[in-house]
Amino acid sequence: AQTVTQSQPEMSVQEAETVTLSCTYDTSENNYYLFWYKQPPSRQMILVIRQEAYKQQNATENRFSVNFQKAAKSFSLKISDSQLGDTAMYFCAFMLFGRGNQGEKLIFGQGTELSVKP
Amino acid sequence: DGGITQSPKYLFRKEGQNVTLSCEQNLNHDAMYWYRQDPGQGLRLIYYSQIVNDFQKGDIAEGYSVSREKKESFPLTVTSAQKNPTAFYLCASSTDRGLGYTFGSGTRLTVV
Repeated sequence: AQTVTQSQPEMSVQEAETVTLSCTYDTSENNYYLFWYKQPPSRQMILVIRQEAYKQQNATENRFSVNFQKAAKSFSLKISDSQLGDTAMYFCAFMLFGRGNQGEKLIFGQGTELSVKP
Repeated sequence: DGGITQSPKYLFRKEGQNVTLSCEQNLNHDAMYWYRQDPGQGLRLIYYSQIVNDFQKGDIAEGYSVSREKKESFPLTVTSAQKNPTAFYLCASSTDRGLGYTFGSGTRLTVV
């Protein structure tokens, strides 16, 4: 079974600084996707960034980037120039693909609560 | 605007009652999902449906039931058999799973 682990329950960062959130996962498969979702106090889940496992290049979306280390099964999220609006719970998630009815389900980590301080 | 609508936002249930949470999407997505969120445990999959009139159990299906009679709708019933139903429930949908899911705004269920 696939598992996702986020070892940092809480983190804080000063506004304008950079912070890295950690995520590790466990799978014996080769074909999968990885995601980071953000859940602000409104509790709406928002997709931040995604990565295909077959791509070696790390995904980047504006101030958000990932460090994908496939051999180490690590998928960390870096937030640059942190803003007050980045305060949220962040979830790492994993999905196998190509499994039809048996797969393609998102498996989530426990979450990291990030506070951006002024 | 396309999206997923969950209702109600807050729901209170007396012990022994069944309650149904609504999830409607106008995104023309084939697949729909129900997750439960508890503090410190992330999101756990309850049920999912990849096509109309078909659905599969997720990791924590006991005490829950679903139906998928229409592509747009995927209601979740929390039955009296669910011993600890107080939680935040999220519905999601997708058409291309590699792009991730679109989520609704959630329903907070409390047993009183």
